[in-house]
Amino acid sequence: AQSVTQLGSHVSVSEGALVLLRCNYSSSVPPYLFWYVQYPNQGLQLLLKYTTGATLVKGINGFEAEFKKSETSFHLTKPSAHMSDAAEYFCAVSRPAAGNKLTFGGGTRVLVKP
Amino acid sequence: DGGITQSPKYLFRKEGQNVTLSCEQNLNHDAMYWYRQDPGQGLRLIYYSQIVNDFQKGDIAEGYSVSREKKESFPLTVTSAQKNPTAFYLCASLPAGLAGTSTDTQYFGPGTRLTVL
Repeated sequence: AQSVTQLGSHVSVSEGALVLLRCNYSSSVPPYLFWYVQYPNQGLQLLLKYTTGATLVKGINGFEAEFKKSETSFHLTKPSAHMSDAAEYFCAVSRPAAGNKLTFGGGTRVLVKP
Repeated sequence: DGGITQSPKYLFRKEGQNVTLSCEQNLNHDAMYWYRQDPGQGLRLIYYSQIVNDFQKGDIAEGYSVSREKKESFPLTVTSAQKNPTAFYLCASLPAGLAGTSTDTQYFGPGTRLTVL
């Protein structure tokens, strides 16, 4: 079985400050890793994903994440927060050989202060 | 435009009534998924289908049923047996089905918010 833990259900950052959202996973086999963003009452939009290769992954809207196998982590960062970054963020893992099902973390809601 | 549509966006039903949520995609994707979202719990998988006329239970299938008669459609029925049906329901699709491994990404619809009164 696989699981995902996101540390902190709510994060508050000032506009222009670093955004850091933490994600740790457990999986018996190397998973694929994803970060999604959700705005109120909308579906999920992919920010970035890691499947194989380079462990530092760049995504949309200035976000990036680094896969660290030894730490079983996939933390999401953005150097400078913008007001439009206020949303809920979900980390997810999938096992390609298991129907590509996604297992999600509980989500982190980001508040950006002016 | 290609994408996933879910209708309606908001749905209200009386307790004890069955209700069917629509999910349609014109992306020609083989696999489709239904997730339920509750505050603070992320998304949990209800059912998924990797090919037409076949589907599998996810982690929380009790009280739900699905069908996959057409590639583009994967409706979800919330039955009266579902103890706590009020939630936000999200449908997703993926290009690969029984082909197995896929580095592709699940695409999500806009969701349906179901409220049982």
